Amino acid sequence: KQEVTQIPAALSVPEGENLVLNCSFTDSAIYNLQWFRQDPGKGLTSLLLIQSSQREQTSGRLNASLDKSSGRSTLYIAASQPGDSATYLCAVPRGGGSEKLVFGKGTKLTVNP
Amino acid sequence: DTAVSQTPKYLVTQMGNDKSIKCEQNLGHDTMYWYKQDSKKFLKIMFSYNNKELIINETVPNRFSPKSPDKAHLNLHINSLELGDSAVYFCASSLQGGGNTIYFGEGSWLTVV
Repeated sequence: KQEVTQIPAALSVPEGENLVLNCSFTDSAIYNLQWFRQDPGKGLTSLLLIQSSQREQTSGRLNASLDKSSGRSTLYIAASQPGDSATYLCAVPRGGGSEKLVFGKGTKLTVNP
Repeated sequence: DTAVSQTPKYLVTQMGNDKSIKCEQNLGHDTMYWYKQDSKKFLKIMFSYNNKELIINETVPNRFSPKSPDKAHLNLHINSLELGDSAVYFCASSLQGGGNTIYFGEGSWLTVV
């Protein structure tokens, strides 16, 4: 059974700081891993999708890495801004090419001006 | 234009009522989903449809019945609403297969009183 854990559950940083969010999963036989952002009262926005053959993906100030063998992914946010404040969730397919995503509980990030 | 749109955004109703949430995607995707986010913010898949056919049905009470009139629409009908059904329901879509980015709607906040 695939389980996804995100640490820390909440994080508060001053503006401008670089930070890392962690995601771990129990079943390493995944096709991909996705990082999402959820703003209060809003849906989820896909940030990055890393295929199992990739080790990292970058989009602007975001960089996500994937280490399948150890069951870990990190989301690195450079030069954080108050607008980055949101809950960040990672998700992996339940198994094989399954379209069922298993989500972590998220890390609530607050970037203080 | 909103890629995945769902209505209503907020719904307050009494126990025992029947209600529907509608979802439409204009991305040309083959696969649509319903996810439920409970009070602990945990996101779990409920259903998945591929080209109007049900492909994933999690352990969801029979009171929940999805209907897909065409591949751009996936509606969720809930009978005999219970207090425990209070949650945020997210519609989502993707191209067919487990390796594609999933796009979420903004959620429908259901409160059963």
